[in-house]
Amino acid sequence: EAGVAQSPRYKIIEKRQSVAFWCNPISGHATLYWYQQILGQGPKLLIQFQNNGVVDDSQLPKDRFSAERLKGVDSTLKIQPAKLEDSAVYLCASSLSTGRSEQFFGPGTRLTVL
Amino acid sequence: DQQVKQNSPSLSVQEGRISILNCDYTNSMFDYFLWYKKYPAEGPTFLISISSIKDKNEDGRFTVFLNKSAKHLSLHIVPSQPGDSAVYFCAASATSNYQLIWGAGTKLIIKP
Repeated sequence: EAGVAQSPRYKIIEKRQSVAFWCNPISGHATLYWYQQILGQGPKLLIQFQNNGVVDDSQLPKDRFSAERLKGVDSTLKIQPAKLEDSAVYLCASSLSTGRSEQFFGPGTRLTVL
Repeated sequence: DQQVKQNSPSLSVQEGRISILNCDYTNSMFDYFLWYKKYPAEGPTFLISISSIKDKNEDGRFTVFLNKSAKHLSLHIVPSQPGDSAVYFCAASATSNYQLIWGAGTKLIIKP
């Protein structure tokens, strides 16, 4: 069974530029999560989808971050414009359902904002 | 406000000995706790969990202990093996929204 796929693996941009990350979850997983992990910290949930609907986006900085999961399968996370403090690893995870269903993580995208 | 704390950034243990990783939490609403393991350049993978109705859960070489009165949990790995070298994250959630709140991680190094 294929795991969670993410691309790109690494991205370097200048501040105020835009960037987009892509995630393809495990087939059949209804729930998809985007996390931000800043160096030296644990992952922090940015947004959670159930199929193509948003379950929780309370910690998403909506003035610059956006995410979508239009067909309830793959998802994109966008930052526009990027700030220096957005430098982090962006992890995508998926699970069969919400609640305490086990989350499976992709390898992450390491973003550096200069 | 860190609700889940892992106060040891790193831990070095001799191969074959016991590794003990610690985690403290402040939110009394947390009722489910998990440990994840992370290798470099990979995403975290689930290791073991425990519900607040239990005080111990065991899976092979891995045992998690929960002390609710102290708001403390620990992960014991016996015996430690070279492949156990990784970063270990403690995470917690409450029934109210199931969102995982993560600690900062402890890097475990198993020495030969």
